[in-house]
Amino acid sequence: NAGVMQNPRHLVRRRGQEARLRCSPMKGHSHVYWYRQLPEEGLKFMVYLQKENIIDESGMPKERFSAEFPKEGPSILRIQQVVRGDSAAYFCASSPRRTEAYEQYFGPGTRLTVT
Amino acid sequence: DQQVKQNSPSLSVQEGRISILNCDYTNSMFDYFLWYKKYPAEGPTFLISISSIKDKNEDGRFTVFLNKSAKHLSLHIVPSQPGDSAVYFCAASARETSGSRLTFGEGTQLTVNP
Repeated sequence: NAGVMQNPRHLVRRRGQEARLRCSPMKGHSHVYWYRQLPEEGLKFMVYLQKENIIDESGMPKERFSAEFPKEGPSILRIQQVVRGDSAAYFCASSPRRTEAYEQYFGPGTRLTVT
Repeated sequence: DQQVKQNSPSLSVQEGRISILNCDYTNSMFDYFLWYKKYPAEGPTFLISISSIKDKNEDGRFTVFLNKSAKHLSLHIVPSQPGDSAVYFCAASARETSGSRLTFGEGTQLTVNP
């Protein structure tokens, strides 16, 4: 039973490029969360999605960031026109259903470096 | 506004002794608390949780204590083992106001020395 998969594990982008981070939840899980961890800080909530729906995007920066979780395929976190301050570890978590949302299972993360 | 704080960035204990990791919170709407353990280059792994209606939850070597009046929780690991060396994150959620989103502390690096 594979866990939460994230790819790529490491991503290097130049300023102004686009970054696409993918997350495949655990089998049977339909809830996906994205968190960002800046250096020396804890994880910060970004967005919560169910299949084809954004439930809570209150932690997403207003510009350049978007997320989706289509009916088929992985969830995608997209960062347009990246800046150095976007360099961080991005973690995806999944849970099976609303009632178990609190015990979220995390992927290994994508480490984004903006040069 | 750091609503969940772990004031000790690091803790070092001897194998076999007790490890106590502390966490304070400011948001009185938090009603569910979790501890996660994280190794380098991996995602956080769920360890143990507690609802605000309880003051203690135990699972093997891990016990979490919640003091609601002090807005304080702690994780006790006894006996500590070298494999417990990792970063421990405290997290909280407020179901009424923010659903299932988790608010994390900054983490405490635990080192258990053989």
